[in-house]
Amino acid sequence: NAGVTQTPKFRILKIGQSMTLQCTQDMNHNYMYWYRQDPGMGLKLIYYSVGAGITDKGEVPNGYNVSRSTTEDFPLRLELAAPSQTSVYFCASSYGPALDTQYFGPGTRLTVL
Amino acid sequence: DAKTTQPPSMDCAEGRAANLPCNHSTISGNEYVYWYRQIHSQGPQYIIHGLKNNETNEMASLIITEDRKSSTLILPHATLRDTAVYYCIVRVLYGNKLVFGAGTILRVKS
Repeated sequence: NAGVTQTPKFRILKIGQSMTLQCTQDMNHNYMYWYRQDPGMGLKLIYYSVGAGITDKGEVPNGYNVSRSTTEDFPLRLELAAPSQTSVYFCASSYGPALDTQYFGPGTRLTVL
Repeated sequence: DAKTTQPPSMDCAEGRAANLPCNHSTISGNEYVYWYRQIHSQGPQYIIHGLKNNETNEMASLIITEDRKSSTLILPHATLRDTAVYYCIVRVLYGNKLVFGAGTILRVKS
């Protein structure tokens, strides 16, 4: 049981490049989330999913896209990278909507130059 | 979801109890208090949560005031490994989005 795994751990992008941050969980959780954390700040929700095929916007969705084709995977897509997207990205999952804790992955540190 | 207010930083001696306060004066009746922590460069880790009653688990205790406008997270015997940023979060029962504030930096010193 690996929990929530994220790849890559580190990435440097040039402005305008695109990439996909991968997130996989093996706990059969229905709910999955993407957060970003800027230096010295708390986490901000980008997108979340309540099940395969269902996604919704969080607090800061602009510049990102997501898909949820399986229960296990929830990739985050950056289409045109901008310096403002330099951040640490965390993926999380939980079993259900009420009184459930979220389990977080180790994070992906992204730098856009 | 209600907002929370936490002190930016606190120090605690190793082996002593660490008491981390949180104000949530606008909390609604259906909102729970959650505590997470984030050790440097790692993802947040769940600690404890509660609604009205005090709660205790293997990691910590949560004391919620009777009017529910504030709470205190207690780490009974802090160790150096408890040095982290601690987040107090309130959220509705069926809203699964966690909104993280800036948190409290707890420094445990030997």
